[in-house]
Amino acid sequence: DGGITQSPKYLFRKEGQNVTLSCEQNLNHDAMYWYRQDPGQGLRLIYYSQIVNDFQKGDIAEGYSVSREKKESFPLTVTSAQKNPTAFYLCASSFQGSNQPQHFGDGTRLSIL
Amino acid sequence: GQQVMQIPQYQHVQEGEDFTTYCNSSTTLSNIQWYKQRPGGHPVFLIQLVKSGEVKKQKRLTFQFGEAKKNSSLHITATQTTDVGTYFCAVPSGTYKYIFGTGTRLKVLA
Repeated sequence: DGGITQSPKYLFRKEGQNVTLSCEQNLNHDAMYWYRQDPGQGLRLIYYSQIVNDFQKGDIAEGYSVSREKKESFPLTVTSAQKNPTAFYLCASSFQGSNQPQHFGDGTRLSIL
Repeated sequence: GQQVMQIPQYQHVQEGEDFTTYCNSSTTLSNIQWYKQRPGGHPVFLIQLVKSGEVKKQKRLTFQFGEAKKNSSLHITATQTTDVGTYFCAVPSGTYKYIFGTGTRLKVLA
């Protein structure tokens, strides 16, 4: 079954700690995206990648980093520089182009200890 | 920069009543997408509209793209409890990314 897998489902971060959220897809999509969703809010774009070894900052990239070493994988690191990391993080993928629907993973809920 | 406004923010309806959410852009759009997110879930793609004045239907859901391609609406006829969730529009921003609206949260009272 094709899809997007995000792990873990829940994650807790201590002060000063970096944490990495995993996102893997087997849909053969070229483009991948990371969004942040706060309670009762819409989706805000953190980073996106159209091809392997290339990625661009979205609207709220500060305090986050990504890599795209493989087509199937687009991990997101929430660094200690992100002062308010508690949120629901959603990974998505699509075929390349401006009119392609995005397929989302189940998300990771990150909380501060 | 480009702005997307979605109204209303919340809507409570009795089961069987109709529901409409509106999405308005500050710029002319090449296309618009609609997604549904169930409580605790992830957004799921519903439909994409491309042509001016386009109307598409999915069972009880009717999607419309404005003539000027700057606004869109999603109408649900005779809501059911399964329609509960947040409905988002998404519009292109540049070549490779989309901006999501703030969403309309629908609650259906049985």
